[in-house]
Amino acid sequence: DSGVTQTPKHLITATGQRVTLRCSPRSGDLSVYWYQQSLDQGLQFLIQYYNGEERAKGNILERFSAQQFPDLHSELNLSSLELGDSALYFCASSVSTRPYEQYFGPGTRLTVT
Amino acid sequence: SQQGEEDPQALSIQEGENATMNCSYKTSINNLQWYRQNSGRGLVHLILIRSNEREKHSGRLRVTLDTSKKSSSLLITASRAADTASYFCATDAEGGSEKLVFGKGTKLTVNP
Repeated sequence: DSGVTQTPKHLITATGQRVTLRCSPRSGDLSVYWYQQSLDQGLQFLIQYYNGEERAKGNILERFSAQQFPDLHSELNLSSLELGDSALYFCASSVSTRPYEQYFGPGTRLTVT
Repeated sequence: SQQGEEDPQALSIQEGENATMNCSYKTSINNLQWYRQNSGRGLVHLILIRSNEREKHSGRLRVTLDTSKKSSSLLITASRAADTASYFCATDAEGGSEKLVFGKGTKLTVNP
C-alpha cells in the first residue's frame, strides 16, 4: 500500500460526458502528479501540482483540467469524453517538487462507451 | 517523444535465472529511475540512480548507468515468480525539468 488513494476504482461513462477523478496523496507529500496509461501511448505525464500550485504540464488535453486543494487532495476533471480517453488514470505523490521516488495510487480505470 | 525506451519489450525466463532489461534515452538527464508495475496496478518505485553514478544495488536489483551511451540496465538476480511484472525506466531531463518521462516498459514473465 503506497498511501496514495484514488477514487473511484472504475468508471464507465458515455461519450460527451464529464467525470471527476479524485486523489489523496501520501501524508506529508506536497506534490501530486497525474498520468494517463493506455495500451498505445504508454504512461503519459499529464500535470503536476505542488502545494496547490500548478508546477509542470505534460500532454494534457484542453478538455482536461486539474486542481489541488488546500488539504492537498487533487481532482482531475475530464470533459467532452471521447472513446480514446478510455485508459487507466494514475495519481502519484512525492515530497518535493522534484519528480523523484513517486508513490503511485491504484489508479482509476475509465471506460468511455 | 518518449525519453526512455526499454528493451526487450517482453522477456520470459525460468525461476532462478537472471533478468536483464535495458533502457535508452535521448537527452541529458539528472537522474534515472526504475519502476515496477504489476498487471493493472500502480507503479512501485524500485531504484534511482543519479547521473554521476555508474552502478547501484538494492537487494537483488543492480542498476547501471552509462551516460556516454545514454543507456541504463536493470538486472534482477535469482528471479522469482513474484517478479513477474512490467518494468519501466523514467528520466527527468537535465536543466531542471520536473517532468518524469516513462518508457513503454519491459514485460517480464518468470515461470515457476
